[in-house]
Amino acid sequence: DAGVIQSPRHEVTEMGQEVTLRCKPISGHNSLFWYRQTMMRGLELLIYFNNNVPIDDSGMPEDRFSAKMPNASFSTLKIQPSEPRDSAVYFCATNQGQVRETQYFGPGTRLLVL
Amino acid sequence: AQSVTQPDIHITVSEGASLELRCNYSYGATPYLFWYVQSPGQGLQLLLKYFSGDTLVQGIKGFEAEFKRSQSSFNLRKPSVHWSDAAEYFCAVGRSEKLVFGKGTKLTVNP
Repeated sequence: DAGVIQSPRHEVTEMGQEVTLRCKPISGHNSLFWYRQTMMRGLELLIYFNNNVPIDDSGMPEDRFSAKMPNASFSTLKIQPSEPRDSAVYFCATNQGQVRETQYFGPGTRLLVL
Repeated sequence: AQSVTQPDIHITVSEGASLELRCNYSYGATPYLFWYVQSPGQGLQLLLKYFSGDTLVQGIKGFEAEFKRSQSSFNLRKPSVHWSDAAEYFCAVGRSEKLVFGKGTKLTVNP
């Protein structure tokens, strides 16, 4: 298995632009998590899905952030409009649905908003 | 509220020395406990996890961790550190669907 696939790996954009991050989960995993990692705040859970349904989006910082999972093979995290404080590494992780199951992390998308 | 504390932001050890990384948690019940490792520029990888039973758990790469209920701790240990162990280590706890991660401990290994 190729593992969790994220794209792009790096993104540089200007403030106000729309940013879309993509994630392809491991086949058979039915839970998907989006995390944000910064030096100041560490690793924060933004949102997670189970069977393509958003379960908990309490970590989404504000309305500029949105996430979708249209099918079991694909998820997006969108920031519109982007701001410099959104600069971070965004990780997607997936597992087989229960908290005791290992979460497998993608390589992350390093986002820089100028 | 659930929380995880990793008191040491940065630890430096010499290659071959022993290592202990601390993790304390606050949770309503005994949670599931995890240690993950993150190498530079990569995602997190599971080292080990504890659910119940024997309080000393073995993981990959020669790591082990001990759960101490009375101290609400789950410290990670390795008897002899290798240069390749230089990375950032995260403790995580959870009982429902999601995990709460600590802020991490960065490990530097001197030759």
